[in-house]
Amino acid sequence: GAVVSQHPSWVICKSGTSVKIECRSLDFQATTMFWYRQFPKQSLMLMATSNEGSKATYEQGVEKDKFLINHASLTLSTLTVTSAHPEDSSFYICSARAPVAGVLNQPQHFGDGTRLSIL
Amino acid sequence: LAKTTQPISMDSYEGQEVNITCSHNNIATNDYITWYQQFPSQGPRFIIQGYKTKVTNEVASLFIPADRKSSTLSLPRVSLSDTAVYYCLVGPSGSARQLTFGSGTQLTVLP
Repeated sequence: GAVVSQHPSWVICKSGTSVKIECRSLDFQATTMFWYRQFPKQSLMLMATSNEGSKATYEQGVEKDKFLINHASLTLSTLTVTSAHPEDSSFYICSARAPVAGVLNQPQHFGDGTRLSIL
Repeated sequence: LAKTTQPISMDSYEGQEVNITCSHNNIATNDYITWYQQFPSQGPRFIIQGYKTKVTNEVASLFIPADRKSSTLSLPRVSLSDTAVYYCLVGPSGSARQLTFGSGTQLTVLP
């Protein structure tokens, strides 16, 4: 089945560092990927929609200059947390839907997430 | 996007059947109903999806009444490893559709 891979699975870094998270669709091409953030004991919150070859669409309240998204190919989207601070510590998850010809509603597949801890 | 309402938590015992109901009163005509399972520190995993009536796969069944304003995820003979958060999502088809997650249901399976 369709697989979405995230890297790294966890990262610890100092405040002020920029951190890049990769999201890859391993066996399908994804023109659209989604980035979510999840705080402990809370649900997933959509941050932005990543569009291949064009600018990402950010949800209200998400700083586009803080969370840089690049979707340069049909199998890779990256999220860069710039000048990260402790409040950016969270679990970041990406997802994508594998298009299937003639099938209206394929489910989204999620990566296993990236645990980001800013000291 | 249709809003969903689920119980915050449920407890069950090993070997029992568990039914988790989700309310989605303002579901639209082109909306599908999808259920995901999430373990701690992992991404959500697709369980089952349906539009109407009943859908069954190797891990669960999904019951959707005619008015589609609710749905019930049925997990047969749960085990300890089924302890997780279960999310019900409702939305239209299309690869560009983002998912809006509700609060989910924390299922705890007891020995």
